[in-house]
Amino acid sequence: KNEVEQSPQNLTAQEGEFITINCSYSVGISALHWLQQHPGGGIVSLFMLSSGKKKHGRLIATINIQEKHSSLHITASHPRDSAVYICADLISNFGNEKLTFGTGTRLTIIP
Amino acid sequence: EPEVTQTPSHQVTQMGQEVILRCVPISNHLYFYWYRQILGQKVEFLVSFYNNEISEKSEIFDDQFSVERPDGSNFTLKIRSTKLEDSAMYFCASTGQGSQETQYFGPGTRLLVL
Repeated sequence: KNEVEQSPQNLTAQEGEFITINCSYSVGISALHWLQQHPGGGIVSLFMLSSGKKKHGRLIATINIQEKHSSLHITASHPRDSAVYICADLISNFGNEKLTFGTGTRLTIIP
Repeated sequence: EPEVTQTPSHQVTQMGQEVILRCVPISNHLYFYWYRQILGQKVEFLVSFYNNEISEKSEIFDDQFSVERPDGSNFTLKIRSTKLEDSAMYFCASTGQGSQETQYFGPGTRLLVL
């Protein structure tokens, strides 16, 4: 059974700090998604990656396929980054696709 | 920017009633998904849909659930006889090329079964 684990579950940091959220998964995957869930519940896709590293603004996502591990980094964190960050791995098998979600990391950035 | 929309935003129903949750995916997308999130828990995959048929479904998606794309734009999730434990936020998502692209999520429908 595929398991997706995230750490930490909760993270509080001061504005400007460098943030790292970790994600581990147990089976081989096609891709890994990082998602942001706002306090109101809406979900926004941040990254989808299957190898290496991607960067978008202050957000960086990396993945190590051999170690089944991915990290999401936020540089120069800001209170508006406060949200739940979720990783989800995608297993795709002959067009059949299924996302398995982690429990999320609740990030709070204090001004 | 195109977006996925869902209606209603909130629905309250009595146990045993049928509910239909509606989603309008992004217009040129081909792959469609339903997820649910019980309050305080993680998001769970329900079903994926491509080429007018279910391509994958989870153990949660039992005979009480069905999906269809009745008119080429709407994508619906029907729960035939709701149970208390169906209370959750239901998210629809779509993507153009399946696993080759990120998924775009709708804002969700909060379902409360009394």
